Amino acid sequence: EPEVTQTPSHQVTQMGQEVILRCVPISNHLYFYWYRQILGQKVEFLVSFYNNEISEKSEIFDDQFSVERPDGSNFTLKIRSTKLEDSAMYFCASSEAGGEEPQHFGDGTRLSIL
Amino acid sequence: QKEVEQDPGPLSVPEGAIVSLNCTYSNSAFQYFMWYRQYSRKGPELLMYTYSSGNKEDGRFTAQVDKSSKYISLFIRDSQPSDSATYLCAIPRPGGYNKLIFGAGTRLAVHP
Repeated sequence: EPEVTQTPSHQVTQMGQEVILRCVPISNHLYFYWYRQILGQKVEFLVSFYNNEISEKSEIFDDQFSVERPDGSNFTLKIRSTKLEDSAMYFCASSEAGGEEPQHFGDGTRLSIL
Repeated sequence: QKEVEQDPGPLSVPEGAIVSLNCTYSNSAFQYFMWYRQYSRKGPELLMYTYSSGNKEDGRFTAQVDKSSKYISLFIRDSQPSDSATYLCAIPRPGGYNKLIFGAGTRLAVHP
């Protein structure tokens, strides 16, 4: 069964450094998402991306964050200058269509900021 | 009032028990409802996807929606130790680009 893959599984970074989290969505999917889950808290929406542009973003997704689809298969989340509070699990998801189409998630990248 | 509320548990049951997991929501415009299962150190895995009120069954799993009460349930029959996981309800916000609103997740342990 096709799946969303994320790399790396664990990233350790010094505060203030830039980090790029990578995702390969399911190949025929057109909508892409990033969510995060701080330890002990809910999964929360960060951003959705369609047709090479951001379609919706949350208040968490400030100027330090950016997303990109650099080629036909990868989808990346960049955090420009990491803060301690960015430590979380980051999940990539994709869906075939928009609206209420179900989303399929990867296994996440655990980001630890020191 | 939170948009989606879910009792975090934990819930511990013996193997073979019927498990009931529940969420409530506040926005009457919500129409689609999803249940995800999340094993430790893994991403959410889609279990059930329902629209409107009523029941939907898939093997040992039944999803139930009561829109009049804004209440959704997931029932697991004949629970197995392999069902031990965190179960998340998730609702897409209507009118947007499929932003999912998650409940807190209920941690379930099924012991042999």
